[in-house]
Amino acid sequence: DAKTTQPPSMDCAEGRAANLPCNHSTISGNEYVYWYRQIHSQGPQYIIHGLKNNETNEMASLIITEDRKSSTLILPHATLRDTAVYYCIVRVGGSVTGTASKLTFGTGTRLQVTL
Amino acid sequence: GAGVSQSPSNKVTEKGKDVELRCDPISGHTALYWYRQRLGQGLEFLIYFQGNSAPDKSGLPSDRFSAERTGESVSTLTIQRTQQEDSAVYLCASSQSWGREQYFGPGTRLTVT
Repeated sequence: DAKTTQPPSMDCAEGRAANLPCNHSTISGNEYVYWYRQIHSQGPQYIIHGLKNNETNEMASLIITEDRKSSTLILPHATLRDTAVYYCIVRVGGSVTGTASKLTFGTGTRLQVTL
Repeated sequence: GAGVSQSPSNKVTEKGKDVELRCDPISGHTALYWYRQRLGQGLEFLIYFQGNSAPDKSGLPSDRFSAERTGESVSTLTIQRTQQEDSAVYLCASSQSWGREQYFGPGTRLTVT
């Protein structure tokens, strides 16, 4: 799986948009970008994923650059409950079995949402 | 619907004892994963089950670790002769199939004294 680079920490004021960047310059054509988060003392939670088009769901938006070498996770109106470590992961998707399905988590970005 | 559940939530054991951790995946999910997370570190893949295929055990750190899964339901992770370095949170995840998003349980916090 391609390596990802994320800033170790970020702060965001409650109610403002949180923009979390991720670099994945060695991503290959069949690798998807996944975002998970882990709130303290809980298991990781799936947020969103995409291949090359921007994606949006009820939790967040994912913006992937045209060259796919970086992406940004956007939480449009951050709340205190969004304080967590956010992990950007790239991995092969589609019709692949075995260890390609496993997730390799790096150190992520610790997002602190403040009043 | 019900998510992934794990039991026990906490386990304290003495060095050298065996422990068994349980995971109940989301109903209908054919893929099941075990991960380990040591304090302050990222997730470490342990083992992967997909339907009736042979499990991928490439992440198991030693032969003291083993896991079983009955069909597409419950899985148990067994650690024999526990060591202090086995202390971690053990997380189970399931997905509808390979390559799909994984849903995690709350984890079992294992402390080996």
